[in-house]
Parts: sequence; C-alpha cells; structure tokens
Amino acid sequence: GQQLNQSPQSMFIQEGEDVSMNCTSSSIFNTWLWYKQDPGEGPVLLIALYKAGELTSNGRLTAQFGITRKDSFLNISASIPSDVGIYFCAGQLRSSNTGKLIFGQGTTLQVKP
Amino acid sequence: GAVVSQHPSWVICKSGTSVKIECRSLDFQATTMFWYRQFPKQSLMLMATSNEGSKATYEQGVEKDKFLINHASLTLSTLTVTSAHPEDSSFYICSARDPDRDEQFFGPGTRLTVL
Repeated sequence: GQQLNQSPQSMFIQEGEDVSMNCTSSSIFNTWLWYKQDPGEGPVLLIALYKAGELTSNGRLTAQFGITRKDSFLNISASIPSDVGIYFCAGQLRSSNTGKLIFGQGTTLQVKP
Repeated sequence: GAVVSQHPSWVICKSGTSVKIECRSLDFQATTMFWYRQFPKQSLMLMATSNEGSKATYEQGVEKDKFLINHASLTLSTLTVTSAHPEDSSFYICSARDPDRDEQFFGPGTRLTVL
C-alpha cells in the first residue's frame, strides 16, 4: 500500500532548541497535514497544507508543502516541554475523492527542560 | 474546533465476546467517518471508511465480518469487534470528515483490551 516515510523516528532535544522533521513519498499528494498525538489521545491537527510550495506557520510551528507534492517538513522553533509527544504527517492522495489519509510512521519528540 | 467523541474511552472484555465502539460528530454532520487502529509505538492504520447510508469500504487485510461498521446517521458511526481475541487489543480511533470545511477531526480513541 501507499506509504509515507517520516524521519527522524525519534528526537531528544534540549528545551529552547529548534526541531525539524519531514515526510517523503513516491506518490503525489493533494494535501499534507501535520498532527500531534499525546499519550492515550487522538491526533490533533497542527497545520494543513493545500498547495505545492505553500509555507504555513502556526505559532512556533512552520510547515511546507514540497514543490514536487511528494514531501513536506515541519519545524518547531524554541521547543518547550509541552511540545513532547508524537508528531505525524499525513497526506491525502491526489487520486482520492474520499478524504482518506495516509499517515507517516511518526516522530517521537522528547524535550529536556 | 469541531468535536468528535468516542464511547467508551476504554473497555476490557473476555476473549470471544463482541465489543461496540461509537463515534459521534457533535457539531457537524459527517457523511464520511474513518476508523483507524493503532498498536503501541506505531502509526495509525486505516481500517475502513464509513459512509452514511451505505456499506463501509474496508482496507486490504481488514476482515469486514470481524469488524462490523454501521453508519446509520450523519452523526454516528459504530465499529463492532466481533469475537474479540487478545490480538485485537489496540487503540481504536475514529475521525469524522466535515464536508463544509473539508477537514477531518479525530476522536479521543478507545483502548480495547481483550483478555
């Protein structure tokens, strides 16, 4: 099946540092989404990207939709302890008309105060 | 933001029993809902797409007779795990698509433990 390759798998950083994670695929996506999941909860949408080349910010978070439509990255600036969690990229294929999402494997972020 | 609820939030059952999980969109009508399963330290894997008033579309490898999906109204979809076994123990998450905003909203998940 379709896959999204998300990296890195995990990160352990110091509070205040910047973080970057990305997703790539061999398929073309219409939409790229970035979610955060806390333990025992459902994912929460952070940023949605709809156009190739689009760069969008949400507070300390910035994400970009790759020009080729096959990749996206998420940056977190000046990390704080509450940024801890699992971050997932998700994409909606250009060929999909149901809104079905494909998820990356996730990046586990740990922040040391 | 929109709210999607799931009930129950956790359930423990004996092997061989059936368990029903509800997914509700609280402030919008969802013609499409999705059911995911997430094992520990893994990503969300789509199980099926639930369409209001029609049969669900199952992903490859997901047994439709074991995971029964009913989407009887625009605000409710149910997933029934029939004859549950320990390997069905997982975190089940639903999402509902708001057609007006073209956005999916996720429920808080249901932790199923089969003894």
